[in-house]
Amino acid sequence: EDQVTQSPEALRLQEGESSSLNCSYTVSGLRGLFWYRQDPGKGPEFLFTLYSAGEEKEKERLKATLTKKESFLHITAPKPEDSATYLCAVHSGGGADGLTFGKGTHLIIQP
Amino acid sequence: DAGVIQSPRHEVTEMGQEVTLRCKPISGHDYLFWYRQTMMRGLELLIYFNNNVPIDDSGMPEDRFSAKMPNASFSTLKIQPSEPRDSAVYFCASSFSPSYGYTFGSGTRLTVV
Repeated sequence: EDQVTQSPEALRLQEGESSSLNCSYTVSGLRGLFWYRQDPGKGPEFLFTLYSAGEEKEKERLKATLTKKESFLHITAPKPEDSATYLCAVHSGGGADGLTFGKGTHLIIQP
Repeated sequence: DAGVIQSPRHEVTEMGQEVTLRCKPISGHDYLFWYRQTMMRGLELLIYFNNNVPIDDSGMPEDRFSAKMPNASFSTLKIQPSEPRDSAVYFCASSFSPSYGYTFGSGTRLTVV
């Protein structure tokens, strides 16, 4: 069974204070690892897909990296508008096409 | 494109009543997914369709839950009878290829009292 564990559950940072969110996964063959952002009262919004170990992707202040067992979402010099819940999900090679999600990291950036 | 459209946004119903949630996927997306989100369990896959055909319904919690996709532009998730433990946010998502991720709707917040 696919498993996704995110840490920490919650993180409070000062504006400009860089940090990283972790996503550990166990799957039977990884077809893709996804990062989503979710704002209160809204659906998850797609950020990145990573397909193989060593791959990196960037978008503004966010950078996602992937190893064979985990992914990191690095946030550089965050701003209050980066406050949200960040979700990690995996698409496995088990045959099904549903994504398995972690429970997310609730990030708060204080001005 | 208007994105994935779900209705209603909020639903409050009494225990034992039938509830129907609706979803319009993005045109051209062959995959449609129904998820449920709670604080305790996070996002859980309930069922998904490919080309209007249900592929995997192993996440549907009980026989009280059923889902249909009569055509490429419409899907429903029905709960009958509803129970307080069904209270959650229900999301619909669509994709042209799961390998590239999904687009989610804004969700339906269901409260069963």
